[in-house]
Amino acid sequence: QVRLQESGPGLVNPSETLSLTCSVSGGAISNYYWSWIRQSPGKGLEFLGYIYTGGTPNTGSTSYNPSLQSRVSLSLDPANRHFSLTLTSVTSADTAVYHCARGQLGATSTGRSYFWFDSWSPGTLVTVSS
Amino acid sequence: SSELTQDPAVSVALGQTVRITCQGDSLSIYYASWYQQKPGQAPVLVMYGVNRRPSGIPDRFSGSSSGHTASLTITGAQAEDEADYYCNSRDISDNHRGLFGGGTKLTVV
Repeated sequence: QVRLQESGPGLVNPSETLSLTCSVSGGAISNYYWSWIRQSPGKGLEFLGYIYTGGTPNTGSTSYNPSLQSRVSLSLDPANRHFSLTLTSVTSADTAVYHCARGQLGATSTGRSYFWFDSWSPGTLVTVSS
Repeated sequence: SSELTQDPAVSVALGQTVRITCQGDSLSIYYASWYQQKPGQAPVLVMYGVNRRPSGIPDRFSGSSSGHTASLTITGAQAEDEADYYCNSRDISDNHRGLFGGGTKLTVV
């Protein structure tokens, strides 16, 4: 049973950088889409990005939400079983509960694909304020 | 477009059947997955691969797909099913990013 737990500061000053780390316990690191998802107060879920550990755990291709493309980056430390989110130049609009999650990609016998997040962290509130 | 559209709110009488829908171009390529979120809690996966239920999810939850529309059906809704429900897929552009619908608030009356 995989468990995910995020860590990082709960308060970040405007214009500075938000950094969060997600620790992974149980389960493999390879062949998953390690993802960050956030939820602003009273709003819906917003995908931020994933880093995919296909093949070997030392390689990671990434995909980011285009609305954040220039400010967001993900990295992976498979040896220490954690992955990280960096979001630069934050504003109050980045105040949200941040979740890390494990994503998977599958396909039916007819070749139709499906993508899902089977494990989620509890979430951590990050407030952007001076 | 790279969006998933859900009705903001749906209500159902206790014990009745309700269908929550999600529309988007990516759903012609990817089956949707569905998540239940209760206040103050992390989302919980309730359906993936059109009609696959994770362990522990009651069989009153079922999924279906047709064209650009995915549906989550709850047959015999219970009070504990009152929650926000989100659909999820993957972008069919070169980006292949994750996509979420805006969420549907289900009220059980």
